Amino acid sequence: DGGITQSPKYLFRKEGQNVTLSCEQNLNHDAMYWYRQDPGQGLRLIYYSQIVNDFQKGDIAEGYSVSREKKESFPLTVTSAQKNPTAFYLCASSQQGGTEAFFGQGTRLTVV
Amino acid sequence: EDQVTQSPEALRLQEGESSSLNCSYTVSGLRGLFWYRQDPGKGPEFLFTLYSAGEEKEKERLKATLTKKESFLHITAPKPEDSATYLCAFGGGAQKLVFGQGTRLTINP
Repeated sequence: DGGITQSPKYLFRKEGQNVTLSCEQNLNHDAMYWYRQDPGQGLRLIYYSQIVNDFQKGDIAEGYSVSREKKESFPLTVTSAQKNPTAFYLCASSQQGGTEAFFGQGTRLTVV
Repeated sequence: EDQVTQSPEALRLQEGESSSLNCSYTVSGLRGLFWYRQDPGKGPEFLFTLYSAGEEKEKERLKATLTKKESFLHITAPKPEDSATYLCAFGGGAQKLVFGQGTRLTINP
């Protein structure tokens, strides 16, 4: 089945530690996105990539980093510089940048 | 600046009571207007894409329409299982997706 897989579903991190969230897609999509969602809020764009080896900052990129070494993969690292990392993180992909996107099931990150 | 605003923030209806959700947008070079449904704790599920003013799409009790400045999601005779958060988004010249805050819809039996 084609789709987007995010792992893990739940993640706990101690303050001061970096953590990497995985996102893999087998839809052969060029564009991939990372969003953050806080309780009762909409989706805020962290980073997006329109092609392999290229990515752009979204609205809230501070404290996050990404890589796009393969078309299928777009991992997100939440660094210790992110002041309030507890949130629901969503990865998406689309055929091209700005076209209809499909989402994974999300990773819920909790800092303890 | 590209932006999108959804209203109302929350809507509570009785089963069978039809209504509409609004999505107002400002964007240069619209590549598409998208509607999603999101259930608690899950990723958004794609519903519709609209490309040009006057276009309409339907799926079961949902119908999405588009004008040059707004999109509406009409819900006809809703059922409790239609309860969810409905998100709209657009793709613009920057080739990224911009989302609204969502409308939290509750259908009471």
